Amino acid sequence: QSALTQPPSASGSPGQSVTISCTGTSSDVGRFNYVSWYQQFPGKAPKLIIHEVNKRPSGVPDRFSGSKSGNTASLTVSGLQAEDDGGDYYCSSYTATNQVIFGGGTRLTVL
Amino acid sequence: EVQLVESGGGSVQPGGSLRLSCAASGFSFRDYWMHWFRQAPGKGLVWVSRIKFDGTYAEYADSVKGRFTISRDNAKNTLFLQMNSLRVEDTAVYYCAKDTYSSGEYWGQGTLVTVSS
Repeated sequence: QSALTQPPSASGSPGQSVTISCTGTSSDVGRFNYVSWYQQFPGKAPKLIIHEVNKRPSGVPDRFSGSKSGNTASLTVSGLQAEDDGGDYYCSSYTATNQVIFGGGTRLTVL
Repeated sequence: EVQLVESGGGSVQPGGSLRLSCAASGFSFRDYWMHWFRQAPGKGLVWVSRIKFDGTYAEYADSVKGRFTISRDNAKNTLFLQMNSLRVEDTAVYYCAKDTYSSGEYWGQGTLVTVSS
């Protein structure tokens, strides 16, 4: 099962928006609306920030939003803040073979 | 407050076995699917397995199928991962997580498994 494709890095200035892509296939991202996004800081456990493509768990700021078009999902972080800096962002998707696959992760830098 | 506490990690030689546990509290454990994920040092997240709320069905990543077994004891609010035929590439921090729509909604702090000769 191949991993989802994410850019290794993304960056933006405080207050700006940044979008991270996550490309899969018609057997995972394109087939199911079970795309999730996680935020992880060094030495910490991951935190779920988006599930089912565009749903935010309670307590996650609305600066984080998700979307999907075809085989590609996207995470947009609006109004970048210093606290977003240095986090790794991972996408995941359920697959047609009843597994969950992840992207390789994207390191976010707030300039 | 949801709490997940993993235990059972440690060092083992290739070909050996380990059993991980995850003690859950703060939610109705018997009503939720549960996951195991892992993360090798300096690497990305990888899904390992998940189990249905009643323990009657499980799914596995291809990389662990036939070697790992997920199970649960709903009476003791505990999730398990039996890992056999361990390989060097199984070295990772293993996390348990409460499921929501095929996502890990809440995660434990992880337990380190090191496979080395």
